[in-house]
Amino acid sequence: AQRVTQPEKLLSVFKGAPVELKCNYSYSGSPELFWYVQYSRQRLQLLLRHISRESIKGFTADLNKGETSFHLKKPFAQEEDSAMYYCALSPNSGGYQKVTFGTGTKLQVIP
Amino acid sequence: SAVISQKPSRDICQRGTSLTIQCQVDSQVTMMFWYRQQPGQSLTLIATANQGSEATYESGFVIDKFPISRPNLTFSTLTVSNMSPEDSSIYLCSVVQAGGRETQYFGPGTRLLVL
Repeated sequence: AQRVTQPEKLLSVFKGAPVELKCNYSYSGSPELFWYVQYSRQRLQLLLRHISRESIKGFTADLNKGETSFHLKKPFAQEEDSAMYYCALSPNSGGYQKVTFGTGTKLQVIP
Repeated sequence: SAVISQKPSRDICQRGTSLTIQCQVDSQVTMMFWYRQQPGQSLTLIATANQGSEATYESGFVIDKFPISRPNLTFSTLTVSNMSPEDSSIYLCSVVQAGGRETQYFGPGTRLLVL
């Protein structure tokens, strides 16, 4: 069974401080990992996926298979980063596979 | 990207009644899903809506309680039947677009309160 754990329900940081949103996963194969974000009064949207190796809005995430982690990082937090962040996992076995979401972490950036 | 609309955006219902939620997509999509997001909890997949056939339900969800229709590639409905206060939740429609990189797009959600 696949599982995604986000240990922090709320993370508060000051503007300009580094941000790290933790995500650990449990899956026996090689999964595909995602971060989704939901800004206030907006719909859930994809922020980034590990296979793209992109930096979106200054955020990056590296898949660490040894630690089964996919932490989301940003060196300098901005007020507009305040949102709900969900880590998600999909079995990487070709075609679309069911996505499992973590419980989410609310990021609060303090001005 | 796919643009998804849901109706209604919110509703307050009495226990024992049923509510049908509509999901409309602006383009043809390969897969459509219905999720539930209860207060303070993560998204839970209810079912995959299959075009022209019965939906595929996840463990803990049954067709009698959550009947789903998908008459074509751009539209689906989810009915929450015989509602109880425990059904109070946000219900989300989600799609994977045809020919896409299996990116999921989400609707704005329907916020349901059952009294």
